[in-house]
Amino acid sequence: DVKVTQSSRYLVKRTGEKVFLECVQDMDHENMFWYRQDPGLGLRLIYFSYDVKMKEKGDIPEGYSVSREKKERFSLILESASTNQTSMYLCASSWEGGYTFGSGTRLTVV
Amino acid sequence: LAKTTQPISMDSYEGQEVNITCSHNNIATNDYITWYQQFPSQGPRFIIQGYKTKVTNEVASLFIPADRKSSTLSLPRVSLSDTAVYYCLVGDSGNTPLVFGKGTRLSVIA
Repeated sequence: DVKVTQSSRYLVKRTGEKVFLECVQDMDHENMFWYRQDPGLGLRLIYFSYDVKMKEKGDIPEGYSVSREKKERFSLILESASTNQTSMYLCASSWEGGYTFGSGTRLTVV
Repeated sequence: LAKTTQPISMDSYEGQEVNITCSHNNIATNDYITWYQQFPSQGPRFIIQGYKTKVTNEVASLFIPADRKSSTLSLPRVSLSDTAVYYCLVGDSGNTPLVFGKGTRLSVIA
């Protein structure tokens, strides 16, 4: 089974901190994605990447950046965390048959 | 990307068959239909994918009529553990980011 691992299950950070959310997949997938999920708003796409060092903006990229230095790793960066970035963050990698998601990181910015 | 419409919520008793219908009137020729299941505080999990007619796996069946403008996810003999949100998505098998709607919240009652 494909495994997508997100480094932290829960994180609490202070406003203004730089935050790194790490995601690693073990099946050599080229495509990787970052979503955030908020009550009533569903899953929204932040950034995605089709290959190493490539990145594309999703629907809500403001306040975020990403890094893909290696094929298996896709990092989401909050340059200066704000309280409105408190959310569940979900990483996924895709294959021909669909997406595999990680378990999510619940980030709280205080 | 084709937009999908599905019921916001459904209730069912344990042991019953549950059918969740999704409409996708603007589905493109190369689009597949994929269903995901999500439990609270977890990432969505792939259930089933199809292109046309009927697909069955150990978890569910997917019925797709000839015009492909809708699809029906069928869960046989649901149990309490099937209580979750079910998402219907349409896309070209992972090469284009999936757009998640609000999904259908299924509540299974004892």
